[in-house]
Amino acid sequence: EAGVTQFPSHSVIEKGQTVTLRCDPISGHDNLYWYRRVMGKEIKFLLHFVKESKQDESGMPNNRFLAERTGGTYSTLKVQPAELEDSGVYFCASSKDGAYEQYFGPGTRLTVT
Amino acid sequence: AQSVTQLDSQVPVFEEAPVELRCNYSSSVSVYLFWYVQYPNQGLQLLLKYLSGSTLVKGINGFEAEFNKSQTSFHLRKPSVHISDTAEYFCAVSPFPPPALNFGKGTSLLVTP
Repeated sequence: EAGVTQFPSHSVIEKGQTVTLRCDPISGHDNLYWYRRVMGKEIKFLLHFVKESKQDESGMPNNRFLAERTGGTYSTLKVQPAELEDSGVYFCASSKDGAYEQYFGPGTRLTVT
Repeated sequence: AQSVTQLDSQVPVFEEAPVELRCNYSSSVSVYLFWYVQYPNQGLQLLLKYLSGSTLVKGINGFEAEFNKSQTSFHLRKPSVHISDTAEYFCAVSPFPPPALNFGKGTSLLVTP
């Protein structure tokens, strides 16, 4: 069984540009989560999808961040326009319906210069 | 709201020595508790979890943790560490029922010969 995959693994962009991160959850996992870790800080929750619906987006920092989950499969997280403080590692995780264990992807390291 | 405090940011230890990584949490509701590990260049992997029942929880790779409700702690232990245990360890809590995870800042475990 393939794990959670994320693309790209690294992204370096300039302030003001747009970046789109992609997450492919484990097949059959209805729950998909995005988290972010800014250097030296905790891993922070961004949002939670159940299938294609946003269940909880209370952690999204501002309206420059847009997450989508097409057809309840893969998800994208777009940052537009990117700011310096958006730099960090973005993790995606997925879980089965009703399960407590979340399976994490390797993360995307975003650097905004 | 829940919060997690990992008391040590770095823990150096010699190979075959015992180790304890400390985790305290605060919550006004019942929580589920987790320890995750991140090996270099990999995603987070679940080490163990406490949902209910026995307060001593055994996980993978010889790790165990003890839930102490009165002290609101969930410390991670291993009686004899290996070089391969070098990684970053994250304590996390989630309210009942579990949506998103609240993480601590992480503890870097460095095992040296």
